[in-house]
Amino acid sequence: AQTVTQSQPEMSVQEAETVTLSCTYDTSENNYYLFWYKQPPSRQMILVIRQEAYKQQNATENRFSVNFQKAAKSFSLKISDSQLGDTAMYFCAFLNNNDMRFGAGTRLTVKP
Amino acid sequence: NAGVTQTPKFQVLKTGQSMTLQCAQDMNHEYMSWYRQDPGMGLRLIHYSVGAGITDQGEVPNGYNVSRSTTEDFPLRLLSAAPSQTSVYFCASGYGTENTGELFFGEGSRLTVL
Repeated sequence: AQTVTQSQPEMSVQEAETVTLSCTYDTSENNYYLFWYKQPPSRQMILVIRQEAYKQQNATENRFSVNFQKAAKSFSLKISDSQLGDTAMYFCAFLNNNDMRFGAGTRLTVKP
Repeated sequence: NAGVTQTPKFQVLKTGQSMTLQCAQDMNHEYMSWYRQDPGMGLRLIHYSVGAGITDQGEVPNGYNVSRSTTEDFPLRLLSAAPSQTSVYFCASGYGTENTGELFFGEGSRLTVL
């Protein structure tokens, strides 16, 4: 079974600075998708960014970008110009054939 | 826009009681799913459906039943609640007949089993 590991339970960053959240996964599959989801205090999960494993180019969505290292099975999220509204739990997720696995999450606090 | 609506938002049950968590979406999504979120464990897939009349098991299906009689609704049933089912439950839907990962989540239902 696929597993997703987020080794940083908590992180903090100053407003306007850059932070990187780590994620590693374990799979024997070659075709899959990776995601970062955000869960603010309101509790509703929101998709931040998506990466297809067959694409070498790293995905980018405004201030959010990923560093996808397929051989290393690593999928980190970089948040640039951090804003107070980025304070949330961030979950890394792996998807293959309707089987979606989430990591345990990283609680990010953006400090003013 | 309603999106994905879950009811109830909070529920307290006694061991052995049954209940149904309701989930409805108004986006005409074929794919729907239920997850549970426990502290320190992230979300785990319980059951999912790729269309009306079609359901399948996820990672942690034991103790839960689902059905999908319409595209809009995907209720989750606990037939005999146990304290291990204390959790926050999320319903999510998505485009297409498979999980593309671009899921729309409800606001969650917090269930406590005493």
